[in-house]
Amino acid sequence: AQKITQTQPGMFVQEKEAVTLDCTYDTSDQSYGLFWYKQPSSGEMIFLIYQGSYDEQNATEGRYSLNFQKARKSANLVISASQLGDSAMYFCAMREVGDMRFGAGTRLTVKP
Amino acid sequence: GAGVSQSPSNKVTEKGKDVELRCDPISGHTALYWYRQRLGQGLEFLIYFQGNSAPDKSGLPSDRFSAERTGESVSTLTIQRTQQEDSAVYLCASSPTSGRAGTQYFGPGTRLTVL
Repeated sequence: AQKITQTQPGMFVQEKEAVTLDCTYDTSDQSYGLFWYKQPSSGEMIFLIYQGSYDEQNATEGRYSLNFQKARKSANLVISASQLGDSAMYFCAMREVGDMRFGAGTRLTVKP
Repeated sequence: GAGVSQSPSNKVTEKGKDVELRCDPISGHTALYWYRQRLGQGLEFLIYFQGNSAPDKSGLPSDRFSAERTGESVSTLTIQRTQQEDSAVYLCASSPTSGRAGTQYFGPGTRLTVL
């Protein structure tokens, strides 16, 4: 069964605006970790941000923030002040015990 | 310190041949993962090693796929009798812990093309 769902195959945003990338997950564990990775056209996977299931505060890393709504099992990524270099695939992932499962990804295109 | 490295970066092979892909994790990272990413798709979990524990092989798609890891060092992913459907980028990642907070750091991948 699909554990990580990213419902937006593609998103467009104007440069300097904010954008939200959606992610929902399914787990019966109380303890888990949520991650977002960026994959530019070069193919490398770049870690962006982490949220623990017990963290009460939403995680932030520079222009990235994670809108964590535990009851709704959602972990949306918010990118503020988009830049052209933000154009890439973005993957949401969840880690329970051991392995990590990824969503299908969202392709973000930043328009000048 | 060096990141995760993978070799070769590109591999072209003929259908039916065996291939071996290598991953050097970040020094000190106890956990190591292999993923497959087909063109335009997400990451497909293949196998996971944690220290000296038995690996989690639940993601291996067939018995043509196998992987080994020596202690907490290098890992090799072997694909026997390659098929065209095996064409993909194979990504390796390592993590300092298998716990929930363990961020995975990825290598650049090996692009496998089966003719």
